[in-house]
Amino acid sequence: QVQLQQSGPGLVKPSQTLSLSCAISGDDIFSNSAAWNWIRQSPSRGLEWLGRTYYRAKWYDDYAVSVKGRITISPDTSKSQISLQLNSVTPEDTAVYYCARDPGYWQHFFDYWGQGTLVTVSS
Amino acid sequence: QTVVTQEPSFSVSPGGTVTLTCGLSSGSVSTSYHPSWYQQTPGQAPRTLIYSTNTRSSGVPERFSGSILGNKAALTITGAQADDESHYYCVLYMGGGFVFGGGTKLTVL
Repeated sequence: QVQLQQSGPGLVKPSQTLSLSCAISGDDIFSNSAAWNWIRQSPSRGLEWLGRTYYRAKWYDDYAVSVKGRITISPDTSKSQISLQLNSVTPEDTAVYYCARDPGYWQHFFDYWGQGTLVTVSS
Repeated sequence: QTVVTQEPSFSVSPGGTVTLTCGLSSGSVSTSYHPSWYQQTPGQAPRTLIYSTNTRSSGVPERFSGSILGNKAALTITGAQADDESHYYCVLYMGGGFVFGGGTKLTVL
């Protein structure tokens, strides 16, 4: 059974960097089929895919246009974790953030989700 | 930018059948978009219902089914139950990423 356990601060000041982690158990972070995604949800923006990272002989990443240039999703293979960093945050970045697995194998959807982390951007 | 469209709200009577749809602001939804559907209750992470257009996720009751209807993806609930009252989201895979619909609030009354 795949489990995704999120961690990170729930309060970030404007202009600073939001950092969250997603610990993976029950699957291999080096899976040649899965991709590891970050998604957020806010009342104003609904559910929004932010980006993903995946391993296919080397690490790749893709990002949503809305956050490109401010976002980094990267693996910490020693801890089997995926991290999210979002720079220069504003109150508009206040949301519940989720990590989720796309199992791949020529299918693209989210089969396992983290528990969600509410991040508030406020001074 | 392509927008994924869903009905904002829908209502169904207990035991009734309802079809929620998922379209594109420009163009038609096809199986190549890998449409998937999620159910979400307040305070919880989304639950996967349907993936790859019409495959039910493990443990999902048979009353939930997915299809392509015309130029949209569709989620049909046959024999709606009270605990189906929830928000439903579709997701399409396009251009190397995912786009969520705005969600449909389903009321069972």
